[in-house]
This record gives sequence, C-alpha cells and structure tokens, in this order.
Amino acid sequence: EPEVTQTPSHQVTQMGQEVILRCVPISNHLYFYWYRQILGQKVEFLVSFYNNEISEKSEIFDDQFSVERPDGSNFTLKIRSTKLEDSAMYFCASTKGGAYNSPLHFGNGTRLTVT
Amino acid sequence: SQKIEQNSEALNIQEGKTATLTCNYTNYSPAYLQWYRQDPGRGPVFLLLIRENEKEKRKERLKVTFDTTLKQSLFHITASQPADSATYLCALDEDTGFQKLVFGTGTRLLVSP
Repeated sequence: EPEVTQTPSHQVTQMGQEVILRCVPISNHLYFYWYRQILGQKVEFLVSFYNNEISEKSEIFDDQFSVERPDGSNFTLKIRSTKLEDSAMYFCASTKGGAYNSPLHFGNGTRLTVT
Repeated sequence: SQKIEQNSEALNIQEGKTATLTCNYTNYSPAYLQWYRQDPGRGPVFLLLIRENEKEKRKERLKVTFDTTLKQSLFHITASQPADSATYLCALDEDTGFQKLVFGTGTRLLVSP
C-alpha cells in the first residue's frame, strides 16, 4: 500500500537555526498537510496546501513557518529560526480529495529537537 | 471554550472483551468525526469516519456511534486482541472543505492476553 514518507526521522538543531522537514506524499494525492504533536500532547493542525498554495493555516503557523512543493513529489516545511517550543513530532499527511470522504494518510513523522 | 475530551487514563482490558472508548466535545458543530490509531513513535492511522447524520458505523471488529445531541462518540473494539493495544484518537472537522482536524488527546488501550 502506498505511504507517506518523511525525512529525516529525527532532526536536532540549535535554537535560531533554520530547519527543513521533508515529505513525499502519496503520488496521486492532491491535498497536503502538516500537523505537529508536542510530546504528551494533542496532534495539532498547522497548515493545508492545495493547488500550490496554502488553503488554511492555524495560529501556530506564523511567519517563521513556510511550506513549499518544490517539485512534483516533495512537500516541505521550513522553520526559519527555531525556538525551544518548536520541539515536537511533525507529521506530514496527504489526501486524494479535500472532502470528508478522503481521510488523512499520515507519515511516521520527523522528531524535531531544538536545543 | 471549545474542547474535545477523551479519557486520559489508560483502559486495561482482557483479550476477548469489548473495549469502549469515549470522545466528548463541547462548542463544536462537527460535520463528521474520525477515529485514528496511533502507536508509539508513529503517525496516526485512520480507522473509521462517521458523519453527523449517521448514528453508527461498523468495520470488521470496530464500531463507532455518534450522538450529536449528547455531543459524544463511542468507539468499540469487539473481541479485543493484544495487537489492538495502542492509543486511539478521535478527531472532528467542522467541514471547511479541507481536513483541518481537531484531535483529542487520545486514550491508551492495553489488552492483556
């Protein structure tokens, strides 16, 4: 079964550094998402992306965050200047459609540790 | 304020029994509700979706109910197995056209042989 793949599985960075988290969504999917989960807390929506633009974003997704689909397969999340509170598991997800009948397919996440 | 609540205490049951997990919400009008399974260090895996106008949905040993009057969903696993041990997340969407899900904190299920 096709799956969403994320790299790296674990990223350690120093506060203030830029990081790029990478995702390869399922190939025929058109809608892409980033969610994050701080250790022991809920999975939280960050951003949705469709047709090469952001369709929705949460309050967490401030100017430090950006997303891009640089080619036909990758979907990236960039954090420009990381803070300690950005430490979390970041999940990429994709769906074929945008409606309720297209449940999310999540990757296994990138654990970001900011020191 | 808006809340989605799942029992934060782990649910321990014996193999073969039925596990019932609860999801309550306040100040939301979800168009549909989803249940996911999450194993440690892994991403959530979709299990079942139920729409606001559906009372019950089944898939193999899984059953979900949705009561919009009580603002509650129940998730049942019948004939539970040790392999069902995981954290189960409920998530709802107010139907913005995209999967902007709001998740509960999850309930950890432990099935003993």
